[in-house]
Amino acid sequence: ELKVEQNPLFLSMQEGKNYTIYCNYSTTSDRLYWYRQDPGKSLESLFVLLSNGAVKQEGRLMASLDTKARLSTLHITAAVHDLSATYFCAVGAGGTSYGKLTFGQGTILTVHP
Amino acid sequence: DADVTQTPRNRITKTGKRIMLECSQTKGHDRMYWYRQDPGLGLRLIYYSFDVKDINKGEISDGYSVSRQAQAKFSLSLESAIPNQTALYFCATSEPWTSESSYNEQFFGPGTRLTVL
Repeated sequence: ELKVEQNPLFLSMQEGKNYTIYCNYSTTSDRLYWYRQDPGKSLESLFVLLSNGAVKQEGRLMASLDTKARLSTLHITAAVHDLSATYFCAVGAGGTSYGKLTFGQGTILTVHP
Repeated sequence: DADVTQTPRNRITKTGKRIMLECSQTKGHDRMYWYRQDPGLGLRLIYYSFDVKDINKGEISDGYSVSRQAQAKFSLSLESAIPNQTALYFCATSEPWTSESSYNEQFFGPGTRLTVL
């Protein structure tokens, strides 16, 4: 059974600081997704990572994937208040379950002035 | 107009009532999914459907049923609602992995907040 764990679950940051959210998963997968959710809103896709060593960047967010370590990171550079949200990683299942996603618990990020 | 819509957006009901949540999409995707979100638990898959004739249970299907009425419509029913089914419910859609551009990425509806008293 695929398990996905994020840490930390809560992250309080000051504006301008850097930090990393970690996403570990338990079985082999070739697809990892990062989503953002604002309070009371739906999930918005941020990144799709498809291969070992993949790195994607958008603004102050950079995501990477290490399939050998079964680890993805979401790095936040020089945080700003607008980045306050909940961030989820999700891992794609393989085999007969191809297409299903298993989500991590989510990381609630709060950026303070 | 939104690509994935859910109705109702909010619902308060009583224990034992039958409830149906509806999802419609205009993205033309074959695959549709129902999730529930609870604080600290992320999103958990209830049911999924890869086409109109293919419906599968997810990790937490007990107490729920679904109907795929058409490619664009996927409904979730709670036959006899109970308080621990109080949650935020999301519908999602995706394309099959037919080309690198699809990525099997899932697109989410706005959610339905369900409260069972």
